Amino acid sequence: KQEVTQIPAALSVPEGENLVLNCSFTDSAIYNLQWFRQDPGKGLTSLLLIQSSQREQTSGRLNASLDKSSGRSTLYIAASQPGDSATYLCAPGAGSYQLTFGKGTKLSVIP
Amino acid sequence: DGGITQSPKYLFRKEGQNVTLSCEQNLNHDAMYWYRQDPGQGLRLIYYSQIVNDFQKGDIAEGYSVSREKKESFPLTVTSAQKNPTAFYLCASRGISQSGYTFGSGTRLTVV
Repeated sequence: KQEVTQIPAALSVPEGENLVLNCSFTDSAIYNLQWFRQDPGKGLTSLLLIQSSQREQTSGRLNASLDKSSGRSTLYIAASQPGDSATYLCAPGAGSYQLTFGKGTKLSVIP
Repeated sequence: DGGITQSPKYLFRKEGQNVTLSCEQNLNHDAMYWYRQDPGQGLRLIYYSQIVNDFQKGDIAEGYSVSREKKESFPLTVTSAQKNPTAFYLCASRGISQSGYTFGSGTRLTVV
């Protein structure tokens, strides 16, 4: 069964810093991996989707990489802003295209 | 705009009652999913459906039921058999294979 670990569980940084969120998964037989953002009491907003054949995806200040063979993905956030404060979830997609979620990294960006 | 609509946003259930959470999508997606989120835990899959009139149990299906009579709709019923239903429930959909998921805004269910 797929297990997903996200490190760190919480992170606090001053505004303007670049930061990296880590995600590891145990079963490398995935179709893709999706990064989401969740604000308190809200649903999930998709940030980036990386197909298993890709190495990375970029959207604005966000860059996600995928190393399928080693079971790792990272989300890089450049020039962090207070509006980036949220919980970030990674979810590899596998059999029947089901997603398995980690517990997330709670990010706080201090003005 | 296309998206997923979950209703109600907040729902209160008395002991022994069944309640139904609504999930509607206008994205023309084939697959739909229900997840449960508890504090300190990752999202857990309750049920999913890849096509109309067909659905499969996820990891924590006990005490829940679903139907998929229309492509756009995938309601979740929380039955009295679910002993700990207080949680945040999220509905999601997905289009063609290997495409990403789209999530609704969630329903928070509380037992009173």
